[in-house]
Amino acid sequence: GAGVSQSPSNKVTEKGKDVELRCDPISGHTALYWYRQSLGQGLEFLIYFQGNSAPDKSGLPSDRFSAERTGGSVSTLTIQRTQQEDSAVYLCASNPPGTSGGPQYFGPGTRLLVL
Amino acid sequence: GNSVTQMEGPVTLSEEAFLTINCTYTATGYPSLFWYVQYPGEGLQLLLKATKADDKGSNKGFEATYRKETTSFHLEKGSVQVSDSAVYFCALSVDGAQKLVFGQGTRLTINP
Repeated sequence: GAGVSQSPSNKVTEKGKDVELRCDPISGHTALYWYRQSLGQGLEFLIYFQGNSAPDKSGLPSDRFSAERTGGSVSTLTIQRTQQEDSAVYLCASNPPGTSGGPQYFGPGTRLLVL
Repeated sequence: GNSVTQMEGPVTLSEEAFLTINCTYTATGYPSLFWYVQYPGEGLQLLLKATKADDKGSNKGFEATYRKETTSFHLEKGSVQVSDSAVYFCALSVDGAQKLVFGQGTRLTINP
């Protein structure tokens, strides 16, 4: 079946612009995660959604970052007023109901470059 | 705080060699431990996990044993193949939390 998909696959933007990154989880998966992977910081947790519960936003690095998940499915990560240090690969992952301990199904990522 | 330290890479081995990638951790709670793999040009994949002390996770010929006494979760494989060339990440989550803390990754290259 279809895996986790992300769009765009690559995004180049200018410093100060806003960007939106999209994640389509596997159908029926209730848990959705955003991570980012950068050369300087490695893999970092950003945010976690589980069903209708309040999301765990503890990994968002600043108030320029926000994410929402509509209808328990698609998620959008928004970065406002982008900075060069936001350049990274943004990874989305999802898990089926009843899964414990960490994301299992990752998407291919969106590579963001802020000039 | 919670952290994961991995063996520094890159690691280069010949096909059929024995592989060990070291991983140690510090955790304020009771962690679950994971190994993820990222093959060239592909997304991150969960390779194996262990949720309590002395558990052994295994998959695709890889194994790792949760050692609480040495706070370690070393990844091993008895005979590596060229197709095992990838970047390997050790990670932990604490007390059932969904937030993972990752190590810095170890790049493995297997030569034929």
